[in-house]
Amino acid sequence: DGGITQSPKYLFRKEGQNVTLSCEQNLNHDAMYWYRQDPGQGLRLIYYSQIVNDFQKGDIAEGYSVSREKKESFPLTVTSAQKNPTAFYLCASSISGGVGTDTQYFGPGTRLTVL
Amino acid sequence: GENVEQHPSTLSVQEGDSAVIKCTYSDSASNYFPWYKQELGKRPQLIIDIRSNVGEKKDQRIAVTLNKTAKHFSLHITETQPEDSAVYFCAATLSGSARQLTFGSGTQLTVLP
Repeated sequence: DGGITQSPKYLFRKEGQNVTLSCEQNLNHDAMYWYRQDPGQGLRLIYYSQIVNDFQKGDIAEGYSVSREKKESFPLTVTSAQKNPTAFYLCASSISGGVGTDTQYFGPGTRLTVL
Repeated sequence: GENVEQHPSTLSVQEGDSAVIKCTYSDSASNYFPWYKQELGKRPQLIIDIRSNVGEKKDQRIAVTLNKTAKHFSLHITETQPEDSAVYFCAATLSGSARQLTFGSGTQLTVLP
């Protein structure tokens, strides 16, 4: 999982601003994922991408957007439409994403705080 | 709806004792069940996983058992050590999530010296 990087580690945002979280992997993985983690809760899937130029909504996609223009990169934008964006955001990747049975490797996370 | 239930939410054991964490799932078609360990402020790391064609898998002090009939799977840690203290998450593939992983809510394990 050392091949997945996220930046920044900490991010502060004012209400009404859009922010973009970076996720890069050099594992040559086809699939990439974004999860949100809140205190005392498990990881919830925001978006995932099984291949370049394609992505699907997860369970909590409202207020978020993504792009997958390159295999290595899967940035997440938290828009002003997301009502409660303060959370720990984790990016992950797997060799493929066809049936969800491949091991997912996580990045170090970005902690977003809305001021 | 389809989900993964994890119990207990907190677990304290004495060093050297065993720890057991249990998860139940709702989708009988689920076929992949990983367990992740997350230390405070760190990324989740896979510690063991099991697929539906296997009932038990062991890796040193860690084992996972799967009961497909009852739709539950458990993590067993033997001879616990202080460095085992962390949050543990189970997960399962659920058809309602386009076959992607759905995670349990986590168990905070504390190993007391």
